[in-house]
Amino acid sequence: DAGITQSPRHKVTETGTPVTLRCHQTENHRYMYWYRQDPGHGLRLIHYSYGVKDTDKGEVSDGYSVSRSKTEDFLLTLESATSSQTSVYFCAITRDQGTEAFFGQGTRLTVV
Amino acid sequence: QKEVEQDPGPLSVPEGAIVSLNCTYSNSAFQYFMWYRQYSRKGPELLMYTYSSGNKEDGRFTAQVDKSSKYISLFIRDSQPSDSATYLCAMSTGNTPLVFGKGTRLSVIA
Repeated sequence: DAGITQSPRHKVTETGTPVTLRCHQTENHRYMYWYRQDPGHGLRLIHYSYGVKDTDKGEVSDGYSVSRSKTEDFLLTLESATSSQTSVYFCAITRDQGTEAFFGQGTRLTVV
Repeated sequence: QKEVEQDPGPLSVPEGAIVSLNCTYSNSAFQYFMWYRQYSRKGPELLMYTYSSGNKEDGRFTAQVDKSSKYISLFIRDSQPSDSATYLCAMSTGNTPLVFGKGTRLSVIA
């Protein structure tokens, strides 16, 4: 298994609170991604990073921010959580664009 | 039109059947094609990876890419109950992040 760890694995939070999800990799891959997965929508890209301090927006970036201060860590922050952000969040890594993506086990987030 | 279209199913087949899963796409610049398998409450795991057109076989699994038709397929021979999962296609130009289909839920009935 690729060395990708997501934390926490489960979280319940209240509307309006900030939430940070962490992705940690031990593969030294350049690219890291955050996806959300919802019924009927599949996997949708939130943000991705192509190096330390280098990030870009994905398809559904509104309400989310990211940071990457080290190669191995990629953080996803919900500044003020809303019920529409209830979802399963997956972190993925690739060596380069177009190469195989490896996924973490996911974080199940519920905003009440 | 979505960049990648995938029939969500669900698809139910008897054990031992040949399964055909398909995706169509609109971006002719896609060069890298992948299939992922996702079990319930787990992360997607890579099943097959192909570059450009052609076929690739790995055990009971065969991936086909037809770039002229913008169509990719995954065939599963001698399907087993353990193949029951959601299958996602994914593709990239090589300069962009992967774009995923919505996934097809497959059930193989013993």
